[in-house]
Amino acid sequence: AQSVAQPEDQVNVAEGNPLTVKCTYSVSGNPYLFWYVQYPNRGLQFLLKYITGDNLVKGSYGFEAEFNKSQTSFHLKKPSALVSDSALYFCAVRDDAGNNRKLIWGLGTSLAVNP
Amino acid sequence: EPEVTQTPSHQVTQMGQEVILRCVPISNHLYFYWYRQILGQKVEFLVSFYNNEISEKSEIFDDQFSVERPDGSNFTLKIRSTKLEDSAMYFCASSVSGNPGELFFGEGSRLTVL
Repeated sequence: AQSVAQPEDQVNVAEGNPLTVKCTYSVSGNPYLFWYVQYPNRGLQFLLKYITGDNLVKGSYGFEAEFNKSQTSFHLKKPSALVSDSALYFCAVRDDAGNNRKLIWGLGTSLAVNP
Repeated sequence: EPEVTQTPSHQVTQMGQEVILRCVPISNHLYFYWYRQILGQKVEFLVSFYNNEISEKSEIFDDQFSVERPDGSNFTLKIRSTKLEDSAMYFCASSVSGNPGELFFGEGSRLTVL
């Protein structure tokens, strides 16, 4: 069965420091992996995706994520955090097995960047 | 930049009442989705829609739910007889293709069932 885990409910980081938001997944086929961000009282916004190719994916707002097949992980990273990065971050996966198109979501990680 | 728009932003209704949530997807998109997020819980897939029919639905999407694309722009989610547990944020999304590209989400409609 497909599943996504975001092991940390909350991540706190000081402005200017690197940040990592963790995500691990489980699928039966090959994974399509996504990160979305949700700012307060806003909808979900796409950040980046991994489909195939280079394991390091770059996305919006300076974020990047590294696909690690052996560890079944897709951690979100940013070299230098901004206060404005404070938001809720969701990892999602879609399985390429079968004909389904639905995304399976993690519970989300609340990122707080302190000035 | 094109965006998905949803109305209403917040609706309060009595249990047993019918609710219609409306979405205007991005104009050249062909695939449409409804997701929901109960407060403090995961975002959950409800249904996907393509070529004027449901292409996939979850166990949550029972007979109380229906979707429709009544004209060329709107995509609606109807809940026939709301229950307390239907209280959630409902997100509409659209995508250009059914391939694993990005979904564009609306800002959500918060439904409160009393």
